[in-house]
Amino acid sequence: DGGITQSPKYLFRKEGQNVTLSCEQNLNHDAMYWYRQDPGQGLRLIYYSQIVNDFQKGDIAEGYSVSREKKESFPLTVTSAQKNPTAFYLCASSIDRAASGANVLTFGAGSRLTVL
Amino acid sequence: SQQGEEDPQALSIQEGENATMNCSYKTSINNLQWYRQNSGRGLVHLILIRSNEREKHSGRLRVTLDTSKKSSSLLITASRAADTASYFCATVTTDSWGKLQFGAGTQVVVTP
Repeated sequence: DGGITQSPKYLFRKEGQNVTLSCEQNLNHDAMYWYRQDPGQGLRLIYYSQIVNDFQKGDIAEGYSVSREKKESFPLTVTSAQKNPTAFYLCASSIDRAASGANVLTFGAGSRLTVL
Repeated sequence: SQQGEEDPQALSIQEGENATMNCSYKTSINNLQWYRQNSGRGLVHLILIRSNEREKHSGRLRVTLDTSKKSSSLLITASRAADTASYFCATVTTDSWGKLQFGAGTQVVVTP
């Protein structure tokens, strides 16, 4: 079945440590995204990538880094510079339909990061 | 800043009743989308309505769009307990590549 796989589902981290969240898709989608969700709030865009080897900052990129070496993979690293990293992280992908603007997102199941 | 804002923040209804939630946004859009999120899970796309459309239906879902008021509504008819979830509107603005801006969501609880 086609879809997006995020791992791990739950992650605990000590302050000062970097952690990497995995996101893999087998939908052959061009674009991939990382969103952060805090309790009772909507999603905020961290980074997005329209094509392999290219990515752009979203609205809250500080303290995060990404790479896009393969079309299928878009890992997110939460660095120690991120002041409040405890959150639910969602990865998504879409067929790049920038011309029509009809970007419908397919989401993974999410990764919940807790900083101890 | 959030482009879309849903109203109400929370809604509690009984099975069989209709649920209506609204979304307001600030800048011109290319399209508006509604997503559903079950607790602790990812979002699932429900429906997309383009700026030149006024109403769309999908099963028990009805979405309206009023670009003059910069608002949209999602109606779920004959609700079921399985409709319990959070519902988010997301907008694609005319000056963005195709990035979605999400609102804070409406939490819907349907009791049997």
